[in-house]
Amino acid sequence: NAGVTQTPKFQVLKTGQSMTLQCAQDMNHEYMSWYRQDPGMGLRLIHYSVGAGITDQGEVPNGYNVSRSTTEDFPLRLLSAAPSQTSVYFCASSLQGLRQETQYFGPGTRLLVL
Amino acid sequence: QQQVKQSPQSLIVQKGGISIINCAYENTAFDYFPWYQQFPGKGPALLIAIRPDVSEKKEGRFTISFNKSAKQFSLHIMDSQPGDSATYFCAASANSGYSTLTFGKGTMLLVSP
Repeated sequence: NAGVTQTPKFQVLKTGQSMTLQCAQDMNHEYMSWYRQDPGMGLRLIHYSVGAGITDQGEVPNGYNVSRSTTEDFPLRLLSAAPSQTSVYFCASSLQGLRQETQYFGPGTRLLVL
Repeated sequence: QQQVKQSPQSLIVQKGGISIINCAYENTAFDYFPWYQQFPGKGPALLIAIRPDVSEKKEGRFTISFNKSAKQFSLHIMDSQPGDSATYFCAASANSGYSTLTFGKGTMLLVSP
């Protein structure tokens, strides 16, 4: 199993550009989520999904869109990038989204918005 | 509003010493408390977790102590090793809904040889 994979590893964008961060998992997990990590801020939840076709907002959803068309993939879209979105983005998954389940994190995407 | 407060921000411990990281929470609906370990350039990985029905959980050199009345929990790393040098995050999840985690801000641990 590859686990949780994320692409790209690094990305530089100009303000106003759009892009999609890719996340995929091969563990047949129903629950997937996106976090952003900023220095001194810990990880903050952006969006999450409890299965194909079902998504919901987390703590910091503004400026981001998600969709879940398959169990395996959970892309995160930035429609118009802003410097405030400069961050490291992590995708995570767990089997069913139950509290005691282990959440598996991907290696992250480092995004710089100029 | 920061729901999980973590301290210290950074910690330097000599090899063989005990590393202690503390967290406090405000939301009484939290009932699952995992700790994550993150090495530079990597994603966080679950280290150990505790439910509030126990006061302590030990896995190898790692121990979580939990004080429900004080709404505090801590991670103790016994016999700290240079390989333990990483950033540690405490987190909490509420007893309703799905496993959305609220993280502390992290503690950067350096274990000196």
